[in-house]
Amino acid sequence: DIVMTQSPDSVAVSLGERATIKCKSSQTVLYTSNNLNYLAWYQQTPGQPPKLLIHWASTRGPGVPGRFIGSGSGTDFTLTISDLQAEDVAIYYCQQYYGTPPTFGQGTRVEIK
Amino acid sequence: EVRLVESGGDLVQPGGSLRLSCAASGLKVSSDYISWVRQAPGRGLEWVSVIFGGGGTTQYADSVKDRFTISRDGAKNTVYLQMDSLRAEDTAVYYCATDSANGFRFNFWGQGTLVTVSS
Repeated sequence: DIVMTQSPDSVAVSLGERATIKCKSSQTVLYTSNNLNYLAWYQQTPGQPPKLLIHWASTRGPGVPGRFIGSGSGTDFTLTISDLQAEDVAIYYCQQYYGTPPTFGQGTRVEIK
Repeated sequence: EVRLVESGGDLVQPGGSLRLSCAASGLKVSSDYISWVRQAPGRGLEWVSVIFGGGGTTQYADSVKDRFTISRDGAKNTVYLQMDSLRAEDTAVYYCATDSANGFRFNFWGQGTLVTVSS
């Protein structure tokens, strides 16, 4: 199985500042035939199911604000939340869908400082 | 609009069985990949099982293989998860989830149903 490791486990950021979350996969999730990274990011607020924010490592889902930016390739990925808003307080998960089983990172909690 | 509604969660004793349902609208379960993903209390996300569109091939996480069975009823547009030989570590909220373009990415989720395995 591909192991996904996120860092940090928790981050506190002031409103309007930037939050950065890292995700590392134990093997590449870049499919060379189409040059796509099979990597997604989800946001989960308390009591709610996860919401898909980013797929193909850097493509925002419908209606996702532009302050959510995904980057990276191969085994190393980053989710950046610029201009942090109060409604961004949540747990963020990365997930690879390159191999079976699909696997998630352990999650990163984003809080307001 | 795609909508997934889970039901069937309950309190069950270790060794017992339970069947979860995922009623879908806005898609056809016979044509799309539908997965179950679970989340233990205060923990992260774990993919459990998938049933493929078309021929209905199934796959399972090692942690549930030989104990859980995924199936579907196209007429009812519903996917099921039969859970047998339940263990305390199966306690979780169970979500059904799907994606319009990729079988193992999830852009549609239900609200989840809670399964508690305890004596």
